[in-house]
Amino acid sequence: GQNIDQPTEMTATEGAIVQINCTYQTSGFNGLFWYQQHAGEAPTFLSYNVLDGLEEKGRFSSFLSRSKGYSYLLLKELQMKDSASYLCAVRVLPRSNDYKLSFGAGTTVTVRA
Amino acid sequence: DADVTQTPRNRITKTGKRIMLECSQTKGHDRMYWYRQDPGLGLQLIYYSFDVKDINKGEISDGYSVSRQAQAKFSLSLESAIPNQTALYFCATSDKLRAEQFFGPGTRLTVL
Repeated sequence: GQNIDQPTEMTATEGAIVQINCTYQTSGFNGLFWYQQHAGEAPTFLSYNVLDGLEEKGRFSSFLSRSKGYSYLLLKELQMKDSASYLCAVRVLPRSNDYKLSFGAGTTVTVRA
Repeated sequence: DADVTQTPRNRITKTGKRIMLECSQTKGHDRMYWYRQDPGLGLQLIYYSFDVKDINKGEISDGYSVSRQAQAKFSLSLESAIPNQTALYFCATSDKLRAEQFFGPGTRLTVL
């Protein structure tokens, strides 16, 4: 199985920066996803990293280090609407031409005025 | 119109009843998935299907069954519901080339 760890909760102020860390131990690693999920709603895709390094997309950036089994999601210029749960998910390839996602429990981010 | 739809959106049932949750998609994706979400546990994969003739068990398939009636439809059944199957259920789709999964709006199921 996969072991994916991320903090349960984080709180930050509007306009600030928050970094959500995710560590994983897995076999057959084939990429890491970040999803955003507002309460009671479906998860929506934020980013995908398969190679080491930083991927930037507007106010959100995601970093991956495969050798360390580590990723982070960076949220800049926080807005109230960024209050949500952020899910780290690891894509694994248990057999040829087959993959599935394993999700962490999620980090609930609360943005305060 | 939503690309991935789920019916019903909410359901309350009693222990021992048979329940079917349905998922339809208009994205043309060949891969479909069923997850359940419980507070503090994240999303757990129940079943997944890579095409109409390919069905695979996920991490927590016991007590569940699925049917892939067509490329666009994937149903999840609880043959005899029990209270610990109370959860939020999500259907998701993806295609072969892109790894991203697209989620339906979810079905909130309560088993009394």
